[in-house]
Amino acid sequence: DSGVTQTPKHLITATGQRVTLRCSPRSGDLSVYWYQQSLDQGLQFLIQYYNGEERAKGNILERFSAQQFPDLHSELNLSSLELGDSALYFCASSVETYNEQFFGPGTRLTVL
Amino acid sequence: AQSVTQLDSHVSVSEGTPVLLRCNYSSSYSPSLFWYVQHPNKGLQLLLKYTSAATLVKGINGFEAEFKKSETSFHLTKPSAHMSDAAEYFCVVRGQGQNFVFGPGTRLSVLP
Repeated sequence: DSGVTQTPKHLITATGQRVTLRCSPRSGDLSVYWYQQSLDQGLQFLIQYYNGEERAKGNILERFSAQQFPDLHSELNLSSLELGDSALYFCASSVETYNEQFFGPGTRLTVL
Repeated sequence: AQSVTQLDSHVSVSEGTPVLLRCNYSSSYSPSLFWYVQHPNKGLQLLLKYTSAATLVKGINGFEAEFKKSETSFHLTKPSAHMSDAAEYFCVVRGQGQNFVFGPGTRLSVLP
């Protein structure tokens, strides 16, 4: 158990809908990262927050957004969902930006 | 720019035989290197990391990796494979001041 929690574990929704994925980092970790893992694209970095501020952006679509709250938990919002958004979404956390990352168990999103 | 190449998408070994998973990297700076393992339907778990100390790094579950700067390689090895080692393995590079870059992964199968 990495100490990173993610909810929900599974999410099934329809095209065009909006969902929110939640992540709680390990105690003491200030950085939160979001990744998307799909069969065709592999593991893709989406976005990073550090102590509430956006620190780095990867291959995140405009339909997706994230934030990190004062208690350091983070949410990833996915809107206008498409079939291709079906994937595993992982959250990771680290103490500082460039330390090793600890991954949560992931949220499996299925868009029908 | 940084990049990671995992030379084999799939490696198959017999239980009790050695494991070799190959990783080559490209980085403009002195890199930090990591290996993560992902078991089916699980999050990623840190196996080991290299951060410019000893070039031979020991990790969990009997795995180790050797950093070879001249060959820009960070291959993962284990003397004797166990059935529980069957998983996906990711090599990761992080250059100075950079975010993580994941390789495409190598799927390890262990045959009885």
